Amino acid sequence: AQSVAQPEDQVNVAEGNPLTVKCTYSVSGNPYLFWYVQYPNRGLQFLLKYITGDNLVKGSYGFEAEFNKSQTSFHLKKPSALVSDSALYFCAVSSIPGNTPLVFGKGTRLSVIA
Amino acid sequence: DTGVSQNPRHKITKRGQNVTFRCDPISEHNRLYWYRQTLGQGPEFLTYFQNEAQLEKSRLLSDRFSAERPKGSFSTLEIQRTEQGDSAMYLCASTTHTGELFFGEGSRLTVL
Repeated sequence: AQSVAQPEDQVNVAEGNPLTVKCTYSVSGNPYLFWYVQYPNRGLQFLLKYITGDNLVKGSYGFEAEFNKSQTSFHLKKPSALVSDSALYFCAVSSIPGNTPLVFGKGTRLSVIA
Repeated sequence: DTGVSQNPRHKITKRGQNVTFRCDPISEHNRLYWYRQTLGQGPEFLTYFQNEAQLEKSRLLSDRFSAERPKGSFSTLEIQRTEQGDSAMYLCASTTHTGELFFGEGSRLTVL
């Protein structure tokens, strides 16, 4: 069975500071990892994914994520946070992308304070 | 707009009524997913189609729920005899073989 844990319900960061949103996963076989962002009353928007290759993945809006196999983690990062980054962030995992459903975490609410 | 389209966006119904949601995926996407999201939770998988074939159903999908994707194009999700516990946002997403899901705006159901 696949699962994702997002240990923080809420992350607060000052504008201009670096941000990290944590995610750990459990999956049989190779993990395929995704980050999505959700703004109020909107659907989820894809940010980035890790399938294979470099452990540091770059995505939309200046976000990046680091895959760490030994720690089974896929933390989302951004060097300098913007107020407009305030939203709900979801980590998701699949064992066969496109053929098995993505399993999502509960989400982490990011608040960037001006 | 070539994104995933869902309607209605909002539906308020009385307990015991039937409701149907429609999803129009991105045209070249052959895989279509339905998820349910409640407040404070991440999306939970309901069911998945590849073209017109329904390949997987979650145990969350009770007998009152049925989904179809005739001709492998749009999909419908019907809930019969709605219950208050069915109140949620119903999300549709489509994809190709690459795996990242493209979500619609969702259909919010409120059962009174």
